Amino acid sequence: AQSVTQLDSQVPVFEEAPVELRCNYSSSVSVYLFWYVQYPNQGLQLLLKYLSGSTLVESINGFEAEFNKSQTSFHLRKPSVHISDTAEYFCAVTANSGYSTLTFGKGTMLLVSP
Amino acid sequence: DVKVTQSSRYLVKRTGEKVFLECVQDMDHENMFWYRQDPGLGLRLIYFSYDVKMKEKGDIPEGYSVSREKKERFSLILESASTNQTSMYLCATIQGSSYNEQFFGPGTRLTVL
Repeated sequence: AQSVTQLDSQVPVFEEAPVELRCNYSSSVSVYLFWYVQYPNQGLQLLLKYLSGSTLVESINGFEAEFNKSQTSFHLRKPSVHISDTAEYFCAVTANSGYSTLTFGKGTMLLVSP
Repeated sequence: DVKVTQSSRYLVKRTGEKVFLECVQDMDHENMFWYRQDPGLGLRLIYFSYDVKMKEKGDIPEGYSVSREKKERFSLILESASTNQTSMYLCATIQGSSYNEQFFGPGTRLTVL
């Protein structure tokens, strides 16, 4: 079984500041990792994913996450946030063999203010 | 354009009513999932299905059941709704053969009075 810990329930930042949303996971097997985003009053959508290969993965809107196997982490970063990045962000993990269910963290609310 | 649709965006029911939440996907995938989302608790898996007529309990199945009569349709049933089942309900399926990457519907916000 897998578990996910998102250490911060809420992260307030000013526009154009850098941000890091932390995610740690626990698993006895190799994993795939995901970040999902939920904008206000919208559904959940995939932001980025780590499956294999390069440990640094990027999204189309400037976010990146780095898979660190030794620290069992998959932190999400952006060097300069926009007001429009205000949303809830969920980290998720699944085993990387066969069909397996996703285990989600409790979410981090990113609040960007002017 | 791939889609997961849920029958209602908002639903209000009374305690004790039987409630059906419907989910339809056009991705032709065997796997479908039902979650509930609550503030501070993230997403919790209620039930999932690997194929027609098959169902598996997730982490919080108590008070719920499911039906999967056709590949594209997965229904969540609240046999006797209670106020603690007031929540956002999300349906998901797997996108293609993509490593368990789940694609979500828009959600149904259920209020039980």
